[in-house]
Amino acid sequence: LAKTTQPISMDSYEGQEVNITCSHNNIATNDYITWYQQFPSQGPRFIIQGYKTKVTNEVASLFIPADRKSSTLSLPRVSLSDTAVYYCLVGDIAGRSSNTGKLIFGQGTTLQVKP
Amino acid sequence: EAQVTQNPRYLITVTGKKLTVTCSQNMNHEYMSWYRQDPGLGLRQIYYSMNVEVTDKGDVPEGYKVSRKEKRNFPLILESPSPNQTSLYFCASSSHSGTSGTYHSYEQYFGPGTRLTVT
Repeated sequence: LAKTTQPISMDSYEGQEVNITCSHNNIATNDYITWYQQFPSQGPRFIIQGYKTKVTNEVASLFIPADRKSSTLSLPRVSLSDTAVYYCLVGDIAGRSSNTGKLIFGQGTTLQVKP
Repeated sequence: EAQVTQNPRYLITVTGKKLTVTCSQNMNHEYMSWYRQDPGLGLRQIYYSMNVEVTDKGDVPEGYKVSRKEKRNFPLILESPSPNQTSLYFCASSSHSGTSGTYHSYEQYFGPGTRLTVT
């Protein structure tokens, strides 16, 4: 059974870089790692996903080590509007190749950005 | 505009009164899923559907039913709601349903949520 673990909360200040790490020790061999952002009373919003090494888009970067047992979401120069809950997501089948739509969200990391 | 819609957005009902929360997507996505969100418990998957007429249980399916008769719609049915089903519900869809031997992407589009209160 795949499971993800994230820090419950993090604080930062405007303009700083924020790194949120998620551990997923039993990730399936062909699963992407996906990150979402959620504001209060809204549905989660896709931020970024990757399979290995580094992925960058206009919003964030995602770092995935070779063993893929963890991933780090990096938010450059955060602003107050980045205050939100961040979730990592993997499939629910551990280890070998999976063929399932059953998904497990982590508990989420509440990021508080201060002025 | 590509979107996932849910109705109703807010619902207060009484124990035992059957209800349906509708979900519709206009992106021709194969994969759809329902989640509930409760304080301190994050997002938990209720049911998902890989395609029309294909549904399966998520992490917390007890007390819920779903159907997928058309690609765009994925209603969530509570036959006999109870107070412990008071929650915030989200529907999501994705073009990636996962196929054995290929990489599985989980880029989902979420609806705005339905806040359900069962008294």
